[in-house]
Amino acid sequence: DADVTQTPRNRITKTGKRIMLECSQTKGHDRMYWYRQDPGLGLRLIYYSFDVKDINKGEISDGYSVSRQAQAKFSLSLESAIPNQTALYFCATSDFGQEVETQYFGPGTRLLVL
Amino acid sequence: GQNIDQPTEMTATEGAIVQINCTYQTSGFNGLFWYQQHAGEAPTFLSYNVLDGLEEKGRFSSFLSRSKGYSYLLLKELQMKDSASYLCAVTDSNYQLIWGAGTKLIIKP
Repeated sequence: DADVTQTPRNRITKTGKRIMLECSQTKGHDRMYWYRQDPGLGLRLIYYSFDVKDINKGEISDGYSVSRQAQAKFSLSLESAIPNQTALYFCATSDFGQEVETQYFGPGTRLLVL
Repeated sequence: GQNIDQPTEMTATEGAIVQINCTYQTSGFNGLFWYQQHAGEAPTFLSYNVLDGLEEKGRFSSFLSRSKGYSYLLLKELQMKDSASYLCAVTDSNYQLIWGAGTKLIIKP
């Protein structure tokens, strides 16, 4: 079973709709992240959470919100989707206690906003 | 601003060696990562450098020069399955991970 899972894997929605992307992990990691990836651009950080009570904005948080429901779950919401939010979204986790804090990624959610 | 530069695309031949370069300008430095990403899939960890020098892991090696803000990933004995994008990422002074846009490596028979 995958350690980091994302649902849905693919989603098509219309402009103005609210949608939620979900991420779950069984790695027991305290830190979780949401990124988006666009062709020709690097991964860009949307939000990150170092524990259940800690939520931080990343580089491109406008138009997004998050919820850390439990150590294992971190959800990303698009309040009112717009076409330029069409992208590949990745959730990632890391363990602060490791000597090398490697990030582990979920399989991604491909989102198309019409 | 913070910046990481990598070539957009490289082509190499099966069985050969290829070197993918990465230069960075970041506010502080706390380590450099290389990840591999096959098309449509998640990035996966390849290597980590925090001190100057070469780290070797099988067919893959990664080099770091902190004074030059430079790293490279060396792939030996290329296989078709090595066709992927290779992402360079630097941890800055705030321990934030800054990502390059990635280098798409095309392997030809």
